[in-house]
Amino acid sequence: SQELEQSPQSLIVQEGKNLTINCTSSKTLYGLYWYKQKYGEGLIFLMMLQKGGEEKSHEKITAKLDEKKQQSSLHITASQPSHAGIYLCGADGYNTDKLIFGTGTRLQVFP
Amino acid sequence: NAGVMQNPRHLVRRRGQEARLRCSPVKGHSHVYWYRQLPEEGLKFMVYLQKENIIDESGMPKERFSAEFPKEGPSILRIQQVVRGDSAAYFCASSPTGPSGANVLTFGAGSRLTVL
Repeated sequence: SQELEQSPQSLIVQEGKNLTINCTSSKTLYGLYWYKQKYGEGLIFLMMLQKGGEEKSHEKITAKLDEKKQQSSLHITASQPSHAGIYLCGADGYNTDKLIFGTGTRLQVFP
Repeated sequence: NAGVMQNPRHLVRRRGQEARLRCSPVKGHSHVYWYRQLPEEGLKFMVYLQKENIIDESGMPKERFSAEFPKEGPSILRIQQVVRGDSAAYFCASSPTGPSGANVLTFGAGSRLTVL
């Protein structure tokens, strides 16, 4: 079965700093999804990547999928307190009917 | 167009009682997924349903847990004879299409079950 590993598990950064979160899959990814969860709330969809080498950006968040489609990174530029939360990568594999998720990366941004 | 609605948001049960969690998907979405999030852990898939059908229940515990998505009304996740280990946040998600293509799920805010 496919497994997703995220690193780091937690991250504490000062406001204004850049940061990167990684997501590695044990199998080829057919779709990679990034979600954000605010503490005590549901998940908000951020971005989806499907093609090897694809890169997408939304405001100060950029996500990339490597050429081999087994690793994705999420990069936040000039972090703000509003970026705080839990970031989860999700993936669907070949011939599967569900999304599986990584264990999440807990981000804290202090002023 | 309302998003995924889950209720109750918080539920407290004593050991041995039953818990019923409800999920109304986004209007027009016919695919519903249930996930469980234990404290300090990631989201674990439980079950995937379409109207009146269970498609994949590979993540459901073998006993005490059941799910349904009737033709009319919300999807229900039912936990019988709850134990303390069932304490978790239960999230429902919906999508308009099945597993092929862009499987973007819309999540509800979750139902937090506490078993005393």
